[in-house]
Amino acid sequence: GNSVTQMEGPVTLSEEAFLTINCTYTATGYPSLFWYVQYPGEGLQLLLKATKADDKGSNKGFEATYRKETTSFHLEKGSVQVSDSAVYFCALTPDRGNNRLAFGKGNQVVVIP
Amino acid sequence: DGGITQSPKYLFRKEGQNVTLSCEQNLNHDAMYWYRQDPGQGLRLIYYSQIVNDFQKGDIAEGYSVSREKKESFPLTVTSAQKNPTAFYLCASAPTGSNQETQYFGPGTRLLVL
Repeated sequence: GNSVTQMEGPVTLSEEAFLTINCTYTATGYPSLFWYVQYPGEGLQLLLKATKADDKGSNKGFEATYRKETTSFHLEKGSVQVSDSAVYFCALTPDRGNNRLAFGKGNQVVVIP
Repeated sequence: DGGITQSPKYLFRKEGQNVTLSCEQNLNHDAMYWYRQDPGQGLRLIYYSQIVNDFQKGDIAEGYSVSREKKESFPLTVTSAQKNPTAFYLCASAPTGSNQETQYFGPGTRLLVL
């Protein structure tokens, strides 16, 4: 089936540090890949997406590249701010399927001043 | 402003009671979705609807019911058959059922059992 795996555990880092959150997926064909962000007490917001292999999604200084050879979509940001503290979810919608999102478990990111 | 609204923000359920969560969108989207969020488990799909008067079960539909009588509305009823209803419920919509479309989420409803 279709599934998404995110690295275990929260991520705590200092302001201006480099952020990486790993995401790997299992799916047939060419799924679309997404990163969503959730701020405390709120719903999810789309951060970025990529719909085909080698595409790079980017937004607000965050980037992720769709790597079919490694089935990965790792999220990166070069210099984080306190305002980036949130929960980040990697997700996919299957190839030639309907728009059913499969989510990873999410990573809590805490940025310390 | 276009968007998705969910109400109430907090909802309390007594034993044996059915409760209904509201989801409304004015984005003119065809597809709508209900997800349940539990700590450490990500989001899981309860029900979805690609078009008015049609809906399908997701991965955890037992104990829930939905209707889609209008394009802009997709209410979720948590029935007494749902034995562990305490969770954060998120509604989403998308323009179509294409796998490339972004889903837009509402602010969520937190359901608590008394």
